[in-house]
Amino acid sequence: DAKTTQPPSMDCAEGRAANLPCNHSTISGNEYVYWYRQIHSQGPQYIIHGLKNNETNEMASLIITEDRKSSTLILPHATLRDTAVYYCIVRVAGDSSYKLIFGSGTRLLVRP
Amino acid sequence: GAVVSQHPSRVICKSGTSVKIECRSLDFQATTMFWYRQFPKQSLMLMATSNEGSKATYEQGVEKDKFLINHASLTLSTLTVTSAHPEDSSFYICSASLRTQGALQPQHFGDGTRLSIL
Repeated sequence: DAKTTQPPSMDCAEGRAANLPCNHSTISGNEYVYWYRQIHSQGPQYIIHGLKNNETNEMASLIITEDRKSSTLILPHATLRDTAVYYCIVRVAGDSSYKLIFGSGTRLLVRP
Repeated sequence: GAVVSQHPSRVICKSGTSVKIECRSLDFQATTMFWYRQFPKQSLMLMATSNEGSKATYEQGVEKDKFLINHASLTLSTLTVTSAHPEDSSFYICSASLRTQGALQPQHFGDGTRLSIL
């Protein structure tokens, strides 16, 4: 299973873009990159996922490098409510169970 | 969007009690549900994968007789912590996913159940 590496913590100012990096150098060709976040005492929330092209939705943008060994989640205008732990996960697809294995994530603090 | 409801949100009970936690997918049919456990200041740990109508698949180190999982319908899975002890106190979270051929549907999570065993 491909493993991901994320910085343990980051902070950014409210209103600015938050760029969260993730390294997944052992990713294989058919594995997707997923991003979830967990606000304190809640269940994780799905943000976005991608294979090799950049993706954008109403929450965030996902930039995946051409060699797919790393990616960056971008929150274009961070708000205080974006303070959370962000998890970058490479999805395991063994016998169709599609398990998600969570690492330790990046704790993002958005400052007023 | 897809909504997963978990009940109860919080349970406090005495040691030796069995506790049942429900996980429901409200607006979609979940062929697969997952159960996680999270201790304070730690990440989520997958406990088991539950497919509707079949036995759950437990992760290594998770006692299947301790954590009973039932997924009898496409919208409901239950986790029963049998004879709970203080060390079982944790945040239990379920997720649900629609499994389709060739399409990776994101997992959607419930808001968790905080279990405290006295």
